[in-house]
Amino acid sequence: AQKVTQAQTEISVVEKEDVTLDCVYETRDTTYYLFWYKQPPSGELVFLIRRNSFDEQNEISGRYSWNFQKSTSSFNFTITASQVVDSAVYFCALSEAQNQGGKLIFGQGTELSVKP
Amino acid sequence: DAGVIQSPRHEVTEMGQEVTLRCKPISGHDYLFWYRQTMMRGLELLIYFNNNVPIDDSGMPEDRFSAKMPNASFSTLKIQPSEPRDSAVYFCASSQDRVERNTIYFGEGSWLTVV
Repeated sequence: AQKVTQAQTEISVVEKEDVTLDCVYETRDTTYYLFWYKQPPSGELVFLIRRNSFDEQNEISGRYSWNFQKSTSSFNFTITASQVVDSAVYFCALSEAQNQGGKLIFGQGTELSVKP
Repeated sequence: DAGVIQSPRHEVTEMGQEVTLRCKPISGHDYLFWYRQTMMRGLELLIYFNNNVPIDDSGMPEDRFSAKMPNASFSTLKIQPSEPRDSAVYFCASSQDRVERNTIYFGEGSWLTVV
């Protein structure tokens, strides 16, 4: 069975703090893809990153970084020096390779509030 | 490049009325998805198409919901008759499997309120 768990429902930080959003996944497939999406208050879903199951290299993009660890089935997302504009709901998602085209299973989301 | 385009952005309708949501996927994408987002159930897949053919509609709640994709650039999600519990944000999304494997891009959503 596929499942994505984001245990943190809400996180509140003060601007410039670092914050890590946790994501734990379950899958029986050996090849799969992991994603993070951002949903700002305006409501759209913005694609942030995709990782393949066979590539455990961590990735950094500006203030964003992602830590993928297959041993613990985790794909955590860190925002460094958070800003008010980072306030949003963040979704972690899983897609198994057998589901061509990208049928996504989403976690419940973590609502991040960054206060000035 | 234009992203996934959905219409209407907001719809308020009375219970029992027919609702039609529309979607234009990103040009060249061969997969199209309809997702629904509610507070109670989060983001859930309703149906998806590959090359205009429905592949998996197991997420469609009941017979009141139907989806079509008459061509590669257009899809509709229809609810008839609508009920208050259908109130949600409906997202259309598309992907191009050959280029960006399994990466889905979402539209801005259609916010439906049934009163």
